[in-house]
Amino acid sequence: KAGVTQTPRYLIKTRGQQVTLSCSPISGHRSVSWYQQTPGQGLQFLFEYFSETQRNKGNFPGRFSGRQFSNSRSEMNVSTLELGDSALYLCASSLWLAGGPKSGANVLTFGAGSRLTVL
Amino acid sequence: AQKITQTQPGMFVQEKEAVTLDCTYDTSDPSYGLFWYKQPSSGEMIFLIYQGSYDQQNATEGRYSLNFQKARKSANLVISASQLGDSAMYFCAMRAGDYKLSFGAGTTVTVRA
Repeated sequence: KAGVTQTPRYLIKTRGQQVTLSCSPISGHRSVSWYQQTPGQGLQFLFEYFSETQRNKGNFPGRFSGRQFSNSRSEMNVSTLELGDSALYLCASSLWLAGGPKSGANVLTFGAGSRLTVL
Repeated sequence: AQKITQTQPGMFVQEKEAVTLDCTYDTSDPSYGLFWYKQPSSGEMIFLIYQGSYDQQNATEGRYSLNFQKARKSANLVISASQLGDSAMYFCAMRAGDYKLSFGAGTTVTVRA
C-alpha cells in the first residue's frame, strides 16, 4: 500500500517567488492536512481539506493557500516568498470514519515532507 | 485553546533500557485524542500510539506504551528495550474540538550502544 507522497522533496526559491507543493494521499483517504515545521516555531497547522472543501485553517497569512482535487490529491501554494517561509512542509492524510477527528481510527499518516529553502 | 507541553528537549538512553518521555496537555474539551509520533532525521512523521480520552486502559503497541493519567492531564510515552533505531525526535500531539492536530515541541532521544 503506497504511503503519502509529497513532491518535490527539496526545492530552493528566492524571495518574492511563489511555490506549489503537491501531496498525494493514501488511496481511500479523503482528508488531507498540511503542517509547517520550523526549528523556531515547531509544527504548526496550516489547513485541512475534506472532499475538496477547506474545513479548518491555521493562523497563517493569506499568502498561504491550498486546494484539494476530486481525486483527493492536494496542493498548497505560497506566494511572495519570504525568508521565514523556509521550512519542512508536511502533508498528512486520514480516513474519515465515524468518531470524528478524535477517534483513533482517523490517525494522520504523514508524507516525507517537502523541504523549502528561501534565499 | 489546546496546548501540549513536552519539557524534555533531549534525552540519552542506554540500549536495551526503558525511557519515559513526558507530555502534559490542556484542553477544555471532554473528548479528545492523544497521539505520539516519531520523526527520524529523514523527516517523515511516523505514528506510534493513540489514546482516547474515554479509554479506560492505557494504550500499548509493541514496545510502546502510553501512561495516561487523565486527572493530571498527562500522557507519557514509555519505550521499552530501547534500540539504536529509536534515536529520533518524538512528538506528543492532541486532537480535540477541531480537526487540527496540535503538537508539542518534541523530545530528542539518543540511544547509546
